[in-house]
Amino acid sequence: DAMVIQNPRYQVTQFGKPVTLSCSQTLNHNVMYWYQQKSSQAPKLLFHYYDKDFNNEADTPDNFQSRRPNTSFCFLDIRSPGLGDAAMYLCATSRMSFQETQYFGPGTRLLVL
Amino acid sequence: QKEVEQNSGPLSVPEGAIASLNCTYSDRVSQSFFWYRQYSGKSPELIMSIYSNGDKEDGRFTAQLNKASQYVSLLIRDSQPSDSATYLCAVNFGDNQGGKLIFGQGTELSVKP
Repeated sequence: DAMVIQNPRYQVTQFGKPVTLSCSQTLNHNVMYWYQQKSSQAPKLLFHYYDKDFNNEADTPDNFQSRRPNTSFCFLDIRSPGLGDAAMYLCATSRMSFQETQYFGPGTRLLVL
Repeated sequence: QKEVEQNSGPLSVPEGAIASLNCTYSDRVSQSFFWYRQYSGKSPELIMSIYSNGDKEDGRFTAQLNKASQYVSLLIRDSQPSDSATYLCAVNFGDNQGGKLIFGQGTELSVKP
């Protein structure tokens, strides 16, 4: 089935040790998003790619980077994770724009020790 | 600051009752409205999208949109214990690449057997 896949589902890292989360999609959607969701909070958009165009949210820390090497894959890099970066990281896709439905992957739960 | 507001709950209803979830938003230009269900520890799952004023029904779920009042609601008929989850209201505040999907804090629903 077409879907959004995230790996790993759980990631444990040490304070300051770089970590990469991955997302892949078989929907052939143009737009891919990364959200951060902390406990009991709404998902917060970090950035998105519209095809190859990268769009960073103004309040996304520089510690967070993203790569989209092709239509299917998108990566979230956290260069120096802090304790405050522990969260669920959600990848989502939509066909063309924010107006359209966003489909979420299962998420990666990040724990920082 | 564009906002989406929901009562955090918890909203508790008995099995078989109608659950009513409400959401208000701050921008009259908004075009697209979504309800997502999120089980604890899982990613958001689309329940319903609605784009024009009025009601939209899908099985036990009915979304209602009133753009003049900047209000969108979700009714769940014949509530089941499996409906117990957090329901996220999401609003699109723009169009194409310039737009952004903003989530409410979510309403926790508990359906008691």
